Amino acid sequence: SAVISQKPSRDICQRGTSLTIQCQVDSQVTMMFWYRQQPGQSLTLIATANQGSEATYESGFVIDKFPISRPNLTFSTLTVSNMSPEDSSIYLCSVGRGEYEQYFGPGTRLTVT
Amino acid sequence: QKEVEQNSGPLSVPEGAIASLNCTYSDRGSQSFFWYRQYSGKSPELIMFIYSNGDKEDGRFTAQLNKASQYVSLLIRDSQPSDSATYLCADRTGNQFYFGTGTSLTVIP
Repeated sequence: SAVISQKPSRDICQRGTSLTIQCQVDSQVTMMFWYRQQPGQSLTLIATANQGSEATYESGFVIDKFPISRPNLTFSTLTVSNMSPEDSSIYLCSVGRGEYEQYFGPGTRLTVT
Repeated sequence: QKEVEQNSGPLSVPEGAIASLNCTYSDRGSQSFFWYRQYSGKSPELIMFIYSNGDKEDGRFTAQLNKASQYVSLLIRDSQPSDSATYLCADRTGNQFYFGTGTSLTVIP
């Protein structure tokens, strides 16, 4: 498995501001992903964080709104920019290990007022 | 866009019974499937994965895959109250996972 930590664990932010979420893994991993889980919903993949190159975004998500950094094989950040109440959600970092395993961090619970 | 569909439930079973959770997927080319358990307020945790037609057993859990019918299921034998959670089915394509909306399971003591 992998030990994944996220910071912050939760935050309450004002509309129009930005929040950067950090994801740290205890060992090097090739694949890192960012998901969103809105209240009562399943997980939606935002993007794949690529080390050394730009993130790969899923349909409906854009870099200007969700810029992602991946400076090395153990760390990534997701920024939620110009927030609105619709961005209130849980944001989860996950890592892929081996061919069949994916592990999730504890999540960041974001509330936008 | 890939679709992974699950009955949202809630599904209630008595303690000791078999819980059956079902999932269908849209992409006939999908190769591997995953079941995650998510307790309220927690992040998902991997239960098991399956990539071959047929059954795969791990303790009280059995995953079943039928690629012809594009159908995946998870059976939980001897259900316990601690199994009460939301179960998420996921379809993996390349390095990306696509999740269903989850089925809420309650095991009644």
